[in-house]
Amino acid sequence: SQQGEEDPQALSIQEGENATMNCSYKTSINNLQWYRQNSGRGLVHLILIRSNEREKHSGRLRVTLDTSKKSSSLLITASRAADTASYFCATDAGNNNDMRFGAGTRLTVKP
Amino acid sequence: DAGVIQSPRHEVTEMGQEVTLRCKPISGHNSLFWYRQTMMRGLELLIYFNNNVPIDDSGMPEDRFSAKMPNASFSTLKIQPSEPRDSAVYFCASSPSGLAGGETQYFGPGTRLLVL
Repeated sequence: SQQGEEDPQALSIQEGENATMNCSYKTSINNLQWYRQNSGRGLVHLILIRSNEREKHSGRLRVTLDTSKKSSSLLITASRAADTASYFCATDAGNNNDMRFGAGTRLTVKP
Repeated sequence: DAGVIQSPRHEVTEMGQEVTLRCKPISGHNSLFWYRQTMMRGLELLIYFNNNVPIDDSGMPEDRFSAKMPNASFSTLKIQPSEPRDSAVYFCASSPSGLAGGETQYFGPGTRLLVL
């Protein structure tokens, strides 16, 4: 069953603009990860944020986590056409690797 | 490293036939996951193994689905008999140690299954 719920389902922006995607989840978590999926490909890990962290950066990516609201956001700055993909959040709540993925946000960056 | 390898990449079969999907995890990884992805249901965890032992198979839809991991470098997901509603992309993923939480999962390219 899905845990995360991404918002919006689809996002279309111009190259150079920032893209913000949100993820909400239902139960308490230990970690939250963001993954990217290009059409027809497997998922690729982008960034992990732990429950005791509030913000992380990786290149043009910025992730925030608000455990009180059970939500996370992924910001891609200065977007490029190559950022066009689906983005998923995934949460794990226990001591194992049982991650639950959201439905994803489909991002289209127009050149 | 070649990454997670899945075969076949595409499979077209008729309803009622047996389908076997194969996965080779990244060498040295101790956890292996099988996912199914459809437009309607998104990405669903079917089963995962740690050190070749099934840990959680609660996501396996029904008895027609079975998965095995006879050794650390090979796993199969079998559907018998297959039905049209099984049509989906099936992903295999592996992670280094497992049972630790917060590990990156490395996904294979997926097997696109179409059951007619």
